[in-house]
Amino acid sequence: DAGITQSPRHKVTETGTPVTLRCHQTENHRYMYWYRQDPGHGLRLIHYSYGVKDTDKGEVSDGYSVSRSKTEDFLLTLESATSSQTSVYFCAISDPTSSYNEQFFGPGTRLTVL
Amino acid sequence: AQSVTQPDIHITVSEGASLELRCNYSYGATPYLFWYVQSPGQGLQLLLKYFSGDTLVQGIKGFEAEFKRSQSSFNLRKPSVHWSDAAEYFCAVGTGNTPLVFGKGTRLSVIA
Repeated sequence: DAGITQSPRHKVTETGTPVTLRCHQTENHRYMYWYRQDPGHGLRLIHYSYGVKDTDKGEVSDGYSVSRSKTEDFLLTLESATSSQTSVYFCAISDPTSSYNEQFFGPGTRLTVL
Repeated sequence: AQSVTQPDIHITVSEGASLELRCNYSYGATPYLFWYVQSPGQGLQLLLKYFSGDTLVQGIKGFEAEFKRSQSSFNLRKPSVHWSDAAEYFCAVGTGNTPLVFGKGTRLSVIA
């Protein structure tokens, strides 16, 4: 299994509070991604990174920001959490030098915003 | 823009029966295609992948998929389903250098 950890694994927070989710990898892969998974929507891309300090928006980026100061860490921040951001968040990594650049996923973080 | 359609939201099969999960994609060039499986409470695990070559690809856990360019399809198959195959299955498409686009998933239930 790819060395990807996410923390925390579960979090309950209140509307309006800031929340930061962390993704850590030990594979030294250059690309990293944040997705959210909701029933009936599958996985939707929030933000992604092609390298340190190189990030871009996905299809559902409103209300989220990211930072990547080291290859191994990719942080997702909800500046002011809302109930619509209750979801399961998955981090993924990929190696663009591989033949397929396939993505490998972390175990997920279940976030509940009350 | 790329898109993926998985027409079946939920499928129920009997243990030992064959399985086919459908996936249709929309993409201008030859796509990179993937199938992932997600067991309850888990992350996604890569089952198989395709870009070129033999259009029938073998994956892990006894799964295979067939690429049909004329139908823009990449259907997943298994000849004999086991109860442990109950999970959610996602088809995804990419370009090889951009984030994957995922279908909405098909939930598989297996009955005795």
